[in-house]
Amino acid sequence: DAGVTQSPTHLIKTRGQQVTLRCSPKSGHDTVSWYQQALGQGPQFIFQYYEEEERQRGNFPDRFSGHQFPNYSSELNVNALLLGDSALYLCASSSSQTGSNQPQHFGDGTRLSIL
Amino acid sequence: AQSVAQPEDQVNVAEGNPLTVKCTYSVSGNPYLFWYVQYPNRGLQFLLKYITGDNLVKGSYGFEAEFNKSQTSFHLKKPSALVSDSALYFCAVRLTPGYSSASKIIFGSGTRLSIRP
Repeated sequence: DAGVTQSPTHLIKTRGQQVTLRCSPKSGHDTVSWYQQALGQGPQFIFQYYEEEERQRGNFPDRFSGHQFPNYSSELNVNALLLGDSALYLCASSSSQTGSNQPQHFGDGTRLSIL
Repeated sequence: AQSVAQPEDQVNVAEGNPLTVKCTYSVSGNPYLFWYVQYPNRGLQFLLKYITGDNLVKGSYGFEAEFNKSQTSFHLKKPSALVSDSALYFCAVRLTPGYSSASKIIFGSGTRLSIRP
């Protein structure tokens, strides 16, 4: 049973570029959340997708956008990259059928470095 | 504002000794509380959770946590630390319990646990 998988594992970009990160949720999960974890900090909630729609959003600018596909996989897109976007981006999945008392399952993340 | 605080950036414990990693929260309503562990270059792994019921919850790898509503705390504990417990630990609270697809998690800033042999 595959867990949450994210690709790529590492990525190097320059300021102003655009990036797309990908996530496949754990089998049986239909909800995907994205988090940004800067070095030495806790994960910060970016947004959550369910039924191919953004359901909740954290305090991130519109440069951060996402998408969820019919197979529940998801993409995180960041435009006009800034140096401050350098971080570990984590994807977490959960099931709408089991309720919010169940933990989210996390992938190992994509390490994004902006030069 | 709803928040989670981990007052200690680092906790150092000798192997075999008990350990405590502190967490306090400030949320409205009844929170769902979680502890996660993160090893280098890895994602977060679930350790344990408090939803309702017994204030002492047991989780993976011998960890347990005590929910204290009056002190709004959820401290992580282990009776006897192992060197392999060395990692980054995060306390988290889930908001708007009930509808998982509309609830998000707020994480603390993390506590680095270092166990010396």
